[in-house]
Amino acid sequence: DAKTTQPPSMDCAEGRAANLPCNHSTISGNEYVYWYRQIHSQGPQYIIHGLKNNETNEMASLIITEDRKSSTLILPHATLRDTAVYYCIVRVNNYGQNFVFGPGTRLSVLP
Amino acid sequence: GAVVSQHPSRVICKSGTSVKIECRSLDFQATTMFWYRQFPKQSLMLMATSNEGSKATYEQGVEKDKFLINHASLTLSTLTVTSAHPEDSSFYICSADQRGGLNEQFFGPGTRLTVL
Repeated sequence: DAKTTQPPSMDCAEGRAANLPCNHSTISGNEYVYWYRQIHSQGPQYIIHGLKNNETNEMASLIITEDRKSSTLILPHATLRDTAVYYCIVRVNNYGQNFVFGPGTRLSVLP
Repeated sequence: GAVVSQHPSRVICKSGTSVKIECRSLDFQATTMFWYRQFPKQSLMLMATSNEGSKATYEQGVEKDKFLINHASLTLSTLTVTSAHPEDSSFYICSADQRGGLNEQFFGPGTRLTVL
């Protein structure tokens, strides 16, 4: 079973920031928080991952709480192309370790 | 970033036939690849772990004699759905880890299988 809980769906206005929450209260010390997204009928796309520090890249920012029991993915300026299912996954950062996908959050970016 | 490809992207076959799906890591070597299955409106479910040069490891409930996996090289894993039936119709996705990178896993674009 997935070790994370996410809201099933969210809406966001185009051009606004999208903040997607994730709870992972049973996360272990050596587990990272990963975010992927899946646009309809495509394979999952890597967004970002982190251990305990906040992370930022060209796609998004990841904010992890100090106790690491929850995190938020931030898309700073959502576009219509960001409409997708977003998966928050915790996983040890070892080579050859599979991902366990939960149902994710279906983000709809509205014009 | 690293790229994983799948071929074919979609296939339609008759019930009882076998279908082979290829998964390639295009610019890196992968000793381990994963095969997932995704039914409509559901999440990805791991089917098996493909190991280069050795037998695949299957998840509980996945028939190894029905879903044959061959990982003959460091850049290619194949999944063969034998004697396909309509209930095998699904979206099949592979993934691979890029060793030495940030250990993010790269996913293929998926193969849509429809069994008539």
